[in-house]
Amino acid sequence: DAGVIQSPRHEVTEMGQEVTLRCKPISGHDYLFWYRQTMMRGLELLIYFNNNVPIDDSGMPEDRFSAKMPNASFSTLKIQPSEPRDSAVYFCASSLGTGGPGNTIYFGEGSWLTVV
Amino acid sequence: QKEVEQDPGPLSVPEGAIVSLNCTYSNSAFQYFMWYRQYSRKGPELLMYTYSSGNKEDGRFTAQVDKSSKYISLFIRDSQPSDSATYLCAGSGSARQLTFGSGTQLTVLP
Repeated sequence: DAGVIQSPRHEVTEMGQEVTLRCKPISGHDYLFWYRQTMMRGLELLIYFNNNVPIDDSGMPEDRFSAKMPNASFSTLKIQPSEPRDSAVYFCASSLGTGGPGNTIYFGEGSWLTVV
Repeated sequence: QKEVEQDPGPLSVPEGAIVSLNCTYSNSAFQYFMWYRQYSRKGPELLMYTYSSGNKEDGRFTAQVDKSSKYISLFIRDSQPSDSATYLCAGSGSARQLTFGSGTQLTVLP
């Protein structure tokens, strides 16, 4: 399997622009997670889906952030409008089942976002 | 206070040294504990997991959890330059909403 696939790998955008990050989870995985990683705050869970349904979005920082999962093989994380403090690495991850022992969470290689 | 605290390092050791990486956590509901390894410009990958208290060994790696003191440790024996990475500890009560530490950057010098 190709693993979790994210695009774009790198994005530089101007403040105020819309940013869309894309993710293709591992086929057959029923959980999908979006994380954000910064030096200051480490790795934070933003939102996760189970069978395409958002389960917990309490980590989404504010209304400028939205995530969708229209089908089992695709998810997007959108930031509109973007701000410099949104600069971070955004990881998509997927797992089969709960993510506990035996259900490893697999991460993509990340989308490196810089907002100037 | 963050739920999982981890010394960010950086930690630099000579090849062959024993490395000790540590975390503390505050959430008593945590039952699952994991260590992820993250190479530069890559996503984290699961290295080891343990359930509740105790030790687990896998090759050169040993994970240790002490729930009474809320302390998580990872030991690396005979460390190699290829072990150079950031190590993230994580805890979970539901086994799906992992809470990560901020990571410890390790460099093993040849």
